[in-house]
Amino acid sequence: DTGVSQDPRHKITKRGQNVTFRCDPISEHNRLYWYRQTLGQGPEFLTYFQNEAQLEKSRLLSDRFSAERPKGSFSTLEIQRTEQGDSAMYLCASSLSVSVGQGGNTQYFGPGTRLTVL
Amino acid sequence: KNQVEQSPQSLIILEGKNCTLQCNYTVSPFSNLRWYKQDTGRGPVSLTIMTFSENTKSNGRYTATLDADTKQSSLHITASQLSDSASYICVVREGGYNKLIFGAGTRLAVHP
Repeated sequence: DTGVSQDPRHKITKRGQNVTFRCDPISEHNRLYWYRQTLGQGPEFLTYFQNEAQLEKSRLLSDRFSAERPKGSFSTLEIQRTEQGDSAMYLCASSLSVSVGQGGNTQYFGPGTRLTVL
Repeated sequence: KNQVEQSPQSLIILEGKNCTLQCNYTVSPFSNLRWYKQDTGRGPVSLTIMTFSENTKSNGRYTATLDADTKQSSLHITASQLSDSASYICVVREGGYNKLIFGAGTRLAVHP
């Protein structure tokens, strides 16, 4: 399978607990993105990496959220002290950076991790 | 504020019928516009991509149009199938940035 994979697919946790999600991008892709999607809405950008460098973070990414991509391959997204408002689908996407003139880089999405905070 | 708005919010059609989904955006500068299909519980999958100079792009039964002057796009689905039931999301990329701005999507249900 050469697509983007995410683990786990579903996570149910109690308020206040920490959770960590993993994303494995398409192997040759150097860019990796995290999004959050709530029911009936489009994905909202959280952060992105180029190789191992985290280049941009959204204001949605509070201090309780941290993302890493230590070796420029897989990435983890950790949420500390979860709140009920964190319940959402967390999507990971990856892309291979190309010239903008060629239409920009296509982001390929994983299946997502659905988080439910009780 | 850069925004992408889609209409209708939801749509029900009978199998075999055609439909058109709308997308209006205020993103500037504009780089490109994509339509994604998202099945329930899955990640979005890219259907089409159009840059400023492209007016129409087809992918099988899907045809997307772009009017960069009025900042409007549409996605036309021909001879709908049950498997077309999904959310269709319009996504605009800001010029010079890697950030994508997503619409809320149109939820399409195709009934037999």
